[in-house]
Amino acid sequence: AQSVTQPDIHITVSEGASLELRCNYSYGATPYLFWYVQSPGQGLQLLLKYFSGDTLVQGIKGFEAEFKRSQSSFNLRKPSVHWSDAAEYFCAVGSSNTDKLIFGTGTRLQVFP
Amino acid sequence: NAGVTQTPKFQVLKTGQSMTLQCAQDMNHEYMSWYRQDPGMGLRLIHYSVGAGITDQGEVPNGYNVSRSTTEDFPLRLLSAAPSQTSVYFCASSSPQGRTEAFFGQGTRLTVV
Repeated sequence: AQSVTQPDIHITVSEGASLELRCNYSYGATPYLFWYVQSPGQGLQLLLKYFSGDTLVQGIKGFEAEFKRSQSSFNLRKPSVHWSDAAEYFCAVGSSNTDKLIFGTGTRLQVFP
Repeated sequence: NAGVTQTPKFQVLKTGQSMTLQCAQDMNHEYMSWYRQDPGMGLRLIHYSVGAGITDQGEVPNGYNVSRSTTEDFPLRLLSAAPSQTSVYFCASSSPQGRTEAFFGQGTRLTVV
């Protein structure tokens, strides 16, 4: 069965610092991987996705993520965090032979000035 | 350019009452899903549909019913509300699910007292 683990429940960084949010997945077939962001009181917005090809994918708002098959990971990174990046971030996994999109438990990012 | 529309945004129910959460999308997406979001548990899949007339259970289907009579609409029914169903509910659509970006509604915050 598909599953997604986000080991960090809450992360606090200073504005301007670099960021890495961890995501590990479990799925037997080739996964489709996603990162979504949720601002308070809002729905989810797609940051980036990986289906195939280059394992380093670029997304919106300056985010990027790297797919590492050997580690079953898809970590999200940003070189310099802005105060407006404070939100909850969700990693999700789907695949070509399932109709389900399964989410991790989320990581709440707090940014200090 | 509505995307996915959920109604109502907020609802308070008494234990045992029934209600229907509405979800409509105008993107002609085949796939629609319902998730519930609870603190520390991320988004959990309740039910999903791969097209009109076809529905299936997700991770947490108990206490909820769905139907899909049209491509556009995917209502979620609570037959007898329980306090454990207090949550924020999100509807999502994509084409196809699990393989492309899912578009989310703004959510329905449900409180069962």
